[in-house]
Amino acid sequence: DADVTQTPRNRITKTGKRIMLECSQTKGHDRMYWYRQDPGLGLRLIYYSFDVKDINKGEISDGYSVSRQAQAKFSLSLESAIPNQTALYFCATSDYDRSVTGELFFGEGSRLTVL
Amino acid sequence: AQSVTQLGSHVSVSEGALVLLRCNYSSSVPPYLFWYVQYPNQGLQLLLKYTTGATLVKGINGFEAEFKKSETSFHLTKPSAHMSDAAEYFCAVSRIQGAQKLVFGQGTRLTINP
Repeated sequence: DADVTQTPRNRITKTGKRIMLECSQTKGHDRMYWYRQDPGLGLRLIYYSFDVKDINKGEISDGYSVSRQAQAKFSLSLESAIPNQTALYFCATSDYDRSVTGELFFGEGSRLTVL
Repeated sequence: AQSVTQLGSHVSVSEGALVLLRCNYSSSVPPYLFWYVQYPNQGLQLLLKYTTGATLVKGINGFEAEFKKSETSFHLTKPSAHMSDAAEYFCAVSRIQGAQKLVFGQGTRLTINP
């Protein structure tokens, strides 16, 4: 089983719908991250969390919200999806020592299409 | 501000040939540098990293990269390409402030021709 699990792996939805992407991890890491990948743009950070009570905005947080339900669970929500949120979304985790140097462990991704 | 530029969004080589993926960075302080690989339908995984010490770093699957401060480069190489190396490769840079400051390049898709 994957250490970092994302659900759903694929989702097609319509403009205006609320969508939640979920991430759970068994690595025991305290730090969790949500990234968005667009062709030709690499990965961009949406939100990150250092623990359950510490949540921070990333580079492109507008239109997104997150919830850290437990150390092992970090969810990303799109309150009202729009077509330009069509992308591949990745959850990543790290611990303190590795995060200091920027090392991350990624899930397999959730592909979201907004029509 | 940091930035990363990967030269070439697509690189195609023959099986057995040299693989060279180029990465240049800008950083106002000594950087930490990474190469991540994304195989089809999978998440990114760390290929290798430079933090301090030896400037030539070796990673998994026969890949290596050399940190050249004077050229602000961190190019990824492999002497002999294998079909299983077909993937997308991302160069990334961060500072000591941590993973939330990690900046990714645009990615280079590597195709291996039989």
